[in-house]
Amino acid sequence: GESVGLHLPTLSVQEGDNSIINCAYSNSASDYFIWYKQESGKGPQFIIDIRSNMDKRQGQRVTVLLNKTVKHLSLQIAATQPGDSAVYFCAEKLGNQFYFGTGTSLTVIP
Amino acid sequence: DTAVSQTPKYLVTQMGNDKSIKCEQNLGHDTMYWYKQDSKKFLKIMFSYNNKELIINETVPNRFSPKSPDKAHLNLHINSLELGDSAVYFCASSQILSSEQYFGPGTRLTVT
Repeated sequence: GESVGLHLPTLSVQEGDNSIINCAYSNSASDYFIWYKQESGKGPQFIIDIRSNMDKRQGQRVTVLLNKTVKHLSLQIAATQPGDSAVYFCAEKLGNQFYFGTGTSLTVIP
Repeated sequence: DTAVSQTPKYLVTQMGNDKSIKCEQNLGHDTMYWYKQDSKKFLKIMFSYNNKELIINETVPNRFSPKSPDKAHLNLHINSLELGDSAVYFCASSQILSSEQYFGPGTRLTVT
């Protein structure tokens, strides 16, 4: 199977600070990399994706960076809010298959 | 309207039983998936299915079988339930080749 891993299982940040969640992947053939947010008791929710031929993509308050040289993916959340508290997953897409990492639990401290 | 729905939300059953979890999507997507999330939050794909192709994760026991009566539904049947099957099962859907999946709310299966 594929291996998608996260460097930190938990992350705590002060409200208003920026958050950075990191992820390592193993398969260079993946065509997309995706970030999902999962709140307690809910299913994962798509945040943002990045195609494998890009190195940066920005959304609303979020930026994803892709470094193919070291097979590293990061999600930056600007001005973190209490509503951002959740588990964040990176995933890689190979054809029609998706492989998820273990997740990072983000806690926002008011 | 809920985009991807699953029933039941909770399922408690005994070892050896056979059970089904239903999934429906009203997004007009052509590909549906089943995932298993264990107690450590690890999400693992079990199946992906569209009207042309079923892709089965080779690590999934053959006690698990997806059944799709039509494009909007993908049900999960589980035979001879085991303790290790206890987990949260998520259904998801997407347009084929899209990286954006929509997940259902999950079904928490507890096998006693």
